[in-house]
Amino acid sequence: AAGVIQSPRHLIKEKRETATLKCYPIPRHDTVYWYQQGPGQDPQFLISFYEKMQSDKGSIPDRFSAQQFSDYHSELNMSSLELGDSALYFCASRDTGTSEYEQYFGPGTRLTVT
Amino acid sequence: DAKTTQPTSMDCAEGRAANLPCNHSTISGNEYVYWYRQIHSQGPQYIIHGLKNNETNEMASLIITEDRKSSTLILPHATLRDTAVYYCIVRVEGGETSGSRLTFGEGTQLTVNP
Repeated sequence: AAGVIQSPRHLIKEKRETATLKCYPIPRHDTVYWYQQGPGQDPQFLISFYEKMQSDKGSIPDRFSAQQFSDYHSELNMSSLELGDSALYFCASRDTGTSEYEQYFGPGTRLTVT
Repeated sequence: DAKTTQPTSMDCAEGRAANLPCNHSTISGNEYVYWYRQIHSQGPQYIIHGLKNNETNEMASLIITEDRKSSTLILPHATLRDTAVYYCIVRVEGGETSGSRLTFGEGTQLTVNP
C-alpha cells in the first residue's frame, strides 16, 4: 500500500539558511499535518491543512510557513534557521472522507542545523 | 483535550502479553482514546482507538473502563519488534473543523526482552 513520502530524508543546513521540506500524502488523503520532534522529545504539532486551506496551527515559529498544493502535497518552508531547529520533521496524512480517524505518518526528514 | 498519564517505562518478556495502562480521568463524553507507537526515530504508527467499548484489531486490544477514566492497551504476544514508545492520546473526533491534531504526551517506553 502507498505510504506518506517525505523528502529529503536528511538535510544539513547552516545557521540563517533556509530549508524546504516536502510531503506527499497517501493518494486520496485530503489532510496533511506537520510535526516536529526535537532530540529526546515527543512529537509536537506544527500546522495542518485540509483541502489546501490551513485548518489548525500549533507551536510553529513565525520563521516557518507551509502550504498545501492542488495535488495535495505540502511543503514546509523554514527560514533563518537556528541550531534549535535541528529535529525530525514528520508529515502525516488522513482521509477525512472516511470513518477512519487515524493519521498515517511518513518516515520523517532529519534536519541538522550547524 | 484531556490529559493522560502513563508509566515512563515497562518491560515485557517476548511472547508474553504486554499490558500498557493509561489514566485519563478528565476525559469528556465525546473524546476518544487513541494509541500510537513510535519505534526509534520512525514515524508514529496508529495502533487502535475506542470511545466506550473494548476494541480489538490485528495489532492489539483496547480495554476501556466503564467510567472511561482509564484504559489498557494489550499486545497479546509481544515480540522484539514491539519495543517502542507507546502514546495514549485522548481527543475529540470529527471532521477536520474539529481540530484533529495529535497531542503527544510522555508515553511509555516498552522494552520487550528475549
